[in-house]
Amino acid sequence: AQTVTQSQPEMSVQEAETVTLSCTYDTSESDYYLFWYKQPPSRQMILVIRQEAYKQQNATENRFSVNFQKAAKSFSLKISDSQLGDAAMYFCAYSKSGGSNYKLTFGKGTLLTVNP
Amino acid sequence: DTGVSQNPRHKITKRGQNVTFRCDPISEHNRLYWYRQTLGQGPEFLTYFQNEAQLEKSRLLSDRFSAERPKGSFSTLEIQRTEQGDSAMYLCASRPAGGSAGELFFGEGSRLTVL
Repeated sequence: AQTVTQSQPEMSVQEAETVTLSCTYDTSESDYYLFWYKQPPSRQMILVIRQEAYKQQNATENRFSVNFQKAAKSFSLKISDSQLGDAAMYFCAYSKSGGSNYKLTFGKGTLLTVNP
Repeated sequence: DTGVSQNPRHKITKRGQNVTFRCDPISEHNRLYWYRQTLGQGPEFLTYFQNEAQLEKSRLLSDRFSAERPKGSFSTLEIQRTEQGDSAMYLCASRPAGGSAGELFFGEGSRLTVL
């Protein structure tokens, strides 16, 4: 079974600074997807960024980028120029490729606080 | 607002009672999912509908749980004879056919508290 581990229950960052959230996973599959989802307080969860395992290039979405290390099964999220609106619970998630890519396996989450 | 809508947002019930949650997906989304999120944990997959057909159910979905999606529009999740262990946030998500892999559009969730 696939597992996703987020070892940082909480992180904090100063506004405008950079923060990195860690995630490791375990799978025997060679092709899969990895995601970071953001869940603001009392708001719906939204997809921040997605990485396809067969792509070596790290995904980037504006201020959000990932460091995908396939051999190490590591998938960290870097948030640059942190903003107050980035404060949220961040979940790392995994899915197989193909027809089951809707069935996400989530980590326990990292609560990010942004200090003004 | 054209996002995924869930009702009620919060339900408090006594052990042994039945509860029902409703999810209205984004209108053009034919795929609908239910996840459960307990305190301190990430969401866990419960079940998946494509149109009105329930295509997959997790073993987490005991026989006290039933989900339906009549006519392929809104969905309901019913929990019979609730137990304290059922206390959780129940999340509904949807996506269109051909949508990006793993991109689910979540609702704000329905929080269940069983006393």
